[in-house]
Amino acid sequence: GQQLNQSPQSMFIQEGEDVSMNCTSSSIFNTWLWYKQDPGEGPVLLIALYKAGELTSNGRLTAQFGITRKDSFLNISASIPSDVGIYFCAGGGSQGNLIFGKGTKLSVKP
Amino acid sequence: DTEVTQTPKHLVMGMTNKKSLKCEQHMGHRAMYWYKQKAKKPPELMFVYSYEKLSINESVPSRFSPECPNSSLLNLHLHALQPEDSALYLCASSHPPYPGGYGYTFGSGTRLTVV
Repeated sequence: GQQLNQSPQSMFIQEGEDVSMNCTSSSIFNTWLWYKQDPGEGPVLLIALYKAGELTSNGRLTAQFGITRKDSFLNISASIPSDVGIYFCAGGGSQGNLIFGKGTKLSVKP
Repeated sequence: DTEVTQTPKHLVMGMTNKKSLKCEQHMGHRAMYWYKQKAKKPPELMFVYSYEKLSINESVPSRFSPECPNSSLLNLHLHALQPEDSALYLCASSHPPYPGGYGYTFGSGTRLTVV
């Protein structure tokens, strides 16, 4: 089945630093979505990408849909303590189902 | 209204109980989903409903029974569950599922504990 490789698995950074994480797959996806999840809550959509090559920003967040449709990255600039959480990439399948990466746990030190 | 509402937020049930999880959205989405998430793991797809018809069942045991009574509601009926079924159950909805589910939104989840 389709699988996503998300890296890094965890990150420990200083407040103010930039963060970069990415997802790769051997399969092509129609969409790439990036979510943030806090403990005990559902994933919250950060950025959605629908076209190969698309580069989209949402405040301090920037994400790109790889031109091959097999990868995506998410950058967070000037991290702040509330950025702490687990970030998931998700690839959109042909029937609307999402395939999730294993997540990147972000810790921010004030 | 841009939310997916799930009730209850927490549920504790015995292995012989019958309970239901409920999910509601008013965004006009015609695809709705159930996911199961274990601690420190990503969500895993269970069921997909497209235009109120079941389109994907990811080989889920029959003790989980989904129902989509109308385009805004999705239920998950639970019966004779096992302790290993304890997890966060997430509902999501999106616009028609092809290509890739535009506007994919998750609810806050139901934390289920089976005792």
